[in-house]
Amino acid sequence: AQKITQTQPGMFVQEKEAVTLDCTYDTSDQSYGLFWYKQPSSGEMIFLIYQGSYDEQNATEGRYSLNFQKARKSANLVISASQLGDSAMYFCAMREGLEFQKLVFGTGTRLLVSP
Amino acid sequence: DAMVIQNPRYQVTQFGKPVTLSCSQTLNHNVMYWYQQKSSQAPKLLFHYYDKDFNNEADTPDNFQSRRPNTSFCFLDIRSPGLGDAAMYLCATSGSGTSGEDTQYFGPGTRLTVL
Repeated sequence: AQKITQTQPGMFVQEKEAVTLDCTYDTSDQSYGLFWYKQPSSGEMIFLIYQGSYDEQNATEGRYSLNFQKARKSANLVISASQLGDSAMYFCAMREGLEFQKLVFGTGTRLLVSP
Repeated sequence: DAMVIQNPRYQVTQFGKPVTLSCSQTLNHNVMYWYQQKSSQAPKLLFHYYDKDFNNEADTPDNFQSRRPNTSFCFLDIRSPGLGDAAMYLCATSGSGTSGEDTQYFGPGTRLTVL
């Protein structure tokens, strides 16, 4: 079974608008971490934001925020005020329980920001 | 700036000809990882080092080996590359690997072509 599901293969947004990228996860562990990475066409994976399973508040980092709904097992990324440079692949990833060294990635969402 | 560096950025090798990819880090992190990412797919963990302790993923082919001579450097050796090994190879590091908030930071990747 998929542990991380990203149901949107591609998303389009206009510059300056907000966009939400969906991520749902599956785990039976109480302790886990959720990450979002951005991968431009150059290939580098850029860390964006982290949410711990015990964090009560949604994580925010500049224009990025994570809409964490634990009961629904979702961790959607919200990008506010989109910029052309936001066009990239976005991966949601999870680290479970004691397997601190292992990240499991979703299949990614390609975001295209248009002028 | 502290960073993860991968060399070369592009590598072309011939079918069956051994190749070595290099990763170095100035973050002084304990853990180093190697991921394989094929076109339009999510990264897949091959193995990781926690200090000098090597941890292989169960489904990593024997054709892939790794060395970590010191804290800063880690190498990926592909003993007999096949056409199916053409991919982006990503190196990542993390601090301790024992904290739930331990983020993995990635290098720019090496894109391997097998002729």
